[in-house]
Amino acid sequence: QKEVEQNSGPLSVPEGAIASLNCTYSDRGSQSFFWYRQYSGKSPELIMFIYSNGDKEDGRFTAQLNKASQYVSLLIRDSQPSDSATYLCAVNRGAGGTSYGKLTFGQGTILTVHP
Amino acid sequence: KAGVTQTPRYLIKTRGQQVTLSCSPISGHRSVSWYQQTPGQGLQFLFEYFSETQRNKGNFPGRFSGRQFSNSRSEMNVSTLELGDSALYLCASSPGPPREQFFGPGTRLTVL
Repeated sequence: QKEVEQNSGPLSVPEGAIASLNCTYSDRGSQSFFWYRQYSGKSPELIMFIYSNGDKEDGRFTAQLNKASQYVSLLIRDSQPSDSATYLCAVNRGAGGTSYGKLTFGQGTILTVHP
Repeated sequence: KAGVTQTPRYLIKTRGQQVTLSCSPISGHRSVSWYQQTPGQGLQFLFEYFSETQRNKGNFPGRFSGRQFSNSRSEMNVSTLELGDSALYLCASSPGPPREQFFGPGTRLTVL
């Protein structure tokens, strides 16, 4: 089982729709969770981070975390063609030991928003 | 605030050579992590430095090494390059775990 798994893509949604990206993780000791967006040929760009169970909203983006189910998701409302990119879920175990500074990434989900 | 900078942006080397990549973190950030990104393996953690100390290392051979200077700038070195080392090398800056990490533009290394 991979440490971080994302829903297989690619995911295609029409402009204006809600895009839903999902991620599960295996390490119950994980403490912080991140969503990055990566355009082709570019480096990952941080979109959202979440530490506590529940929802966290930032503009058109909502991150949801359920630690009991070891599940984190990202919703993109009113999707735009400019949202077309690879979305990476990343998990950190928190400070200490072998977890210092280590983000464990999923394989990414390619999202395409078509006009 | 200026972002993370990495130099050089592109490198072409031949097998057996060595290479040094540089990273300047966001001002005030003391933690620098390095990652390798390839199409087959995705993003993989190399190591993390904080206050000039390597606190964590990923599962890479000893040919991969790094260091951090007192101004938080970091370098990574790859010796005896192999074809499989061709990748995008990313540096990420953070105030410190478990806080968020911000990535630089990366260095694209091609080994011929």
